Amino acid sequence: DGGITQSPKYLFRKEGQNVTLSCEQNLNHDAMYWYRQDPGQGLRLIYYSQIVNDFQKGDIAEGYSVSREKKESFPLTVTSAQKNPTAFYLCASSMSEKLFFGSGTQLSVL
Amino acid sequence: AQTVTQSQPEMSVQEAETVTLSCTYDTSESDYYLFWYKQPPSRQMILVIRQEAYKQQNATENRFSVNFQKAAKSFSLKISDSQLGDAAMYFCAYRTPYRDNYGQNFVFGPGTRLSVLP
Repeated sequence: DGGITQSPKYLFRKEGQNVTLSCEQNLNHDAMYWYRQDPGQGLRLIYYSQIVNDFQKGDIAEGYSVSREKKESFPLTVTSAQKNPTAFYLCASSMSEKLFFGSGTQLSVL
Repeated sequence: AQTVTQSQPEMSVQEAETVTLSCTYDTSESDYYLFWYKQPPSRQMILVIRQEAYKQQNATENRFSVNFQKAAKSFSLKISDSQLGDAAMYFCAYRTPYRDNYGQNFVFGPGTRLSVLP
């Protein structure tokens, strides 16, 4: 089945640690996105990529990094510089006008 | 920059009744797309309905329909015959047409939490 797979579903980060959230899609979509969602809030864009080997910062990129070495994959690293990383992270992809989402990763700080 | 506003943080509806969720947006563009996404307790984002700005006819998907008022920049969602499974957060979203150059092209509103009362 085609779709977007995010892993892990739950992730815990220790202080000072970098963690990486995985996002893989087999929809053959060019564009991929990372959003952050805080409790009771809307979605805020962290990074997006329209093509392989290129990506752009969104509204809240500080403390995060990404790579886009393959069309199918767009991993997000939450670095130790992100002081408030606890949130729900959603990966998405699009071709034409629709946005398709993965099932999300809940990141919490130990 | 485009913005999306949802003025109702929470709404409730009786089962089998009809409810309307509001959304307004701000843009200087004439060609764009609008969406309603549903996020149930599972937190999976599900596309409910979409509207193309150049189409005057309001989109409909089964029990879900929109009232698109382009001049007023308003895009409300009507849910008819509400069911318990409709309880969720609903997000209104705006998308510019695809461009070759880079640009943030999806903007989400803050969401409306809908409760369905049995």
